[in-house]
Amino acid sequence: SQTIHQWPATLVQPVGSPLSLECTVEGTSNPNLYWYRQAAGRGLQLLFYSVGIGQISSEVPQNLSASRPQDRQFILSSKKLLLSDSGFYLCACLGKQHTGANVLTFGAGSRLTVL
Amino acid sequence: QKEVEQNSGPLSVPEGAIASLNCTYSDRGSQSFFWYRQYSGKSPELIMFIYSNGDKEDGRFTAQLNKASQYVSLLIRDSQPSDSATYLCAVFRTSYGKLTFGQGTILTVHP
Repeated sequence: SQTIHQWPATLVQPVGSPLSLECTVEGTSNPNLYWYRQAAGRGLQLLFYSVGIGQISSEVPQNLSASRPQDRQFILSSKKLLLSDSGFYLCACLGKQHTGANVLTFGAGSRLTVL
Repeated sequence: QKEVEQNSGPLSVPEGAIASLNCTYSDRGSQSFFWYRQYSGKSPELIMFIYSNGDKEDGRFTAQLNKASQYVSLLIRDSQPSDSATYLCAVFRTSYGKLTFGQGTILTVHP
């Protein structure tokens, strides 16, 4: 079964500082990878998704970017954080189970507070 | 029109009752449908997925899919206080590679 490692779990950053959140996946190959953000009390907003190395699709224009340097590594970055970037960031992986079914698994999340 | 719509609730049911959660979607080409449960401060966890029209049962949970009506639901039988959480519906289309979530329904099961 697939496992997602996501770090850091919690971080507090000043406005204007850079950001790097990392996600790695085990137990599957060539997965679709996703970054979601969840503001307090809100639903999941899809930020980026990737169907392969170097292939990134952006859903929302903003000051965030994503990269996929390796098959099972997905990175979310920002050069200058805004207050509105605060939230709960979730990495997710869509991979095939041994049954052939596609299953989406989430990492534990990274809680970002921008001050 | 939102791609995936859920009633945000809160939905309140007594312990032991059936909780019914509903979701509609706009993309007729959607192929896979997921239900997730999310406790406060935690990441979502998969409850069930369904691909075909009809019902799929797993323990106390039943997912129902009607592609003609673009509707998917989740029934929770014998609801327990531990079922109190936000339930998220998600829709996937293979050709797009994109998984889209509804805003979630807050469920409260009271003793």
